Amino acid sequence: AQSVAQPEDQVNVAEGNPLTVKCTYSVSGNPYLFWYVQYPNRGLQFLLKYITGDNLVKGSYDFEAEFNKSQTSFHLKKPSALVSDSALYFCAVVYYNTDKLIFGTGTRLQVFP
Amino acid sequence: DAGVTQSPTHLIKTRGQQVTLRCSPKSGHDTVSWYQQALGQGPQFIFQYYEEEERQRGNFPDRFSGHQFPNYSSELNVNALLLGDSALYLCASSLDDTEAFFGQGTRLTVV
Repeated sequence: AQSVAQPEDQVNVAEGNPLTVKCTYSVSGNPYLFWYVQYPNRGLQFLLKYITGDNLVKGSYDFEAEFNKSQTSFHLKKPSALVSDSALYFCAVVYYNTDKLIFGTGTRLQVFP
Repeated sequence: DAGVTQSPTHLIKTRGQQVTLRCSPKSGHDTVSWYQQALGQGPQFIFQYYEEEERQRGNFPDRFSGHQFPNYSSELNVNALLLGDSALYLCASSLDDTEAFFGQGTRLTVV
């Protein structure tokens, strides 16, 4: 079955430092992978997606993610964290050939001034 | 473009009651999906509507039903509410396999 795992409940990073939020996947076939961010009392905002092509995907707000087939990972990265990046981040995979998204449990990112 | 809009933003219901949540998709989008996000969890897929019909369904009981109107807006209905139905209900719209855009959600509290 298609699934994603986010092994860290929370990631803490100082402002200006690089950040990484981890995601691993388990899929049959080619993975369609997504990252979404959720701010308090808000819905989900799309950050980026990997469908095919370059393994390094660039998205909104200077976020990027690296698709690694051998490690079945799709980690979210940003070279310099901002306090305003503090939020809940979700990795997701499309369920087979559908539009149904399967989400991970989420990782709370806390960026300290 | 108003994006995906949901109403109401908050709702309190009593066990056993019925509730209807509403969603207007992003302009130009024809597909609407509903998700339930319990506290501290990731969103769980409820079902998806396309061309006014339910196209896919997740592992939710028949108490959860929906509808899509000709203007692509959608409703989620939940009957015989349980305490465990308390959650944030998210609507997402999309078009032709593009990424889904989410609304801000409806926070349902069942007491």
